[in-house]
Amino acid sequence: AQSVTQPDIHITVSEGASLELRCNYSYGATPYLFWYVQSPGQGLQLLLKYFSGDTLVQGIKGFEAEFKRSQSSFNLRKPSVHWSDAAEYFCAVGAFSGSGTALIFGKGTTLSVSS
Amino acid sequence: DSGVTQTPKHLITATGQRVTLRCSPRSGDLSVYWYQQSLDQGLQFLIQYYNGEERAKGNILERFSAQQFPDLHSELNLSSLELGDSALYFCASSLGQGYNEQFFGPGTRLTVL
Repeated sequence: AQSVTQPDIHITVSEGASLELRCNYSYGATPYLFWYVQSPGQGLQLLLKYFSGDTLVQGIKGFEAEFKRSQSSFNLRKPSVHWSDAAEYFCAVGAFSGSGTALIFGKGTTLSVSS
Repeated sequence: DSGVTQTPKHLITATGQRVTLRCSPRSGDLSVYWYQQSLDQGLQFLIQYYNGEERAKGNILERFSAQQFPDLHSELNLSSLELGDSALYFCASSLGQGYNEQFFGPGTRLTVL
């Protein structure tokens, strides 16, 4: 069965420092991968997606992610974190279900930014 | 703003009751998805509709049902509510029925007392 693991429940990073959030997936075929961000009291916003092609994908707000098939990973990175990046981050894999599709989410990683 | 609207924003009700959550997709999107977010289960896919027809089903309880209307808005009906149904319910929409970006609404927070 498809699944997504985000090993880190909570991460604290100093403002201006680099960030890497880990994501591992389990999926039999070529995965469609996503990173979403959820600020308190808000819905989910798509940061970036990987469907095929270049394994390094760029997203909004200065985020990027690298797909590594050999490691079944899709880690999210940002070179310099801003206080406004504090939020919860979700990795997801697109999965076929019936004659449609669904997103399978990880449990999320809460990012705190210290000054 | 994703363009997906959900009403109401908050809903407080009692056990055993029935509620209806409403979702309007982005203009032009034909697929609507429902997700439940709770502290213990995380974000879980419930059901997908495409152009009025059910396309995919996840961990949706038999007490829950959904439909998508000809104007493409969708409703999620939750009945015989239990304390454990308290959660944030998200609607998302996408252009097609396959692997497309899903745009999420702000959610409806349901509290069952």
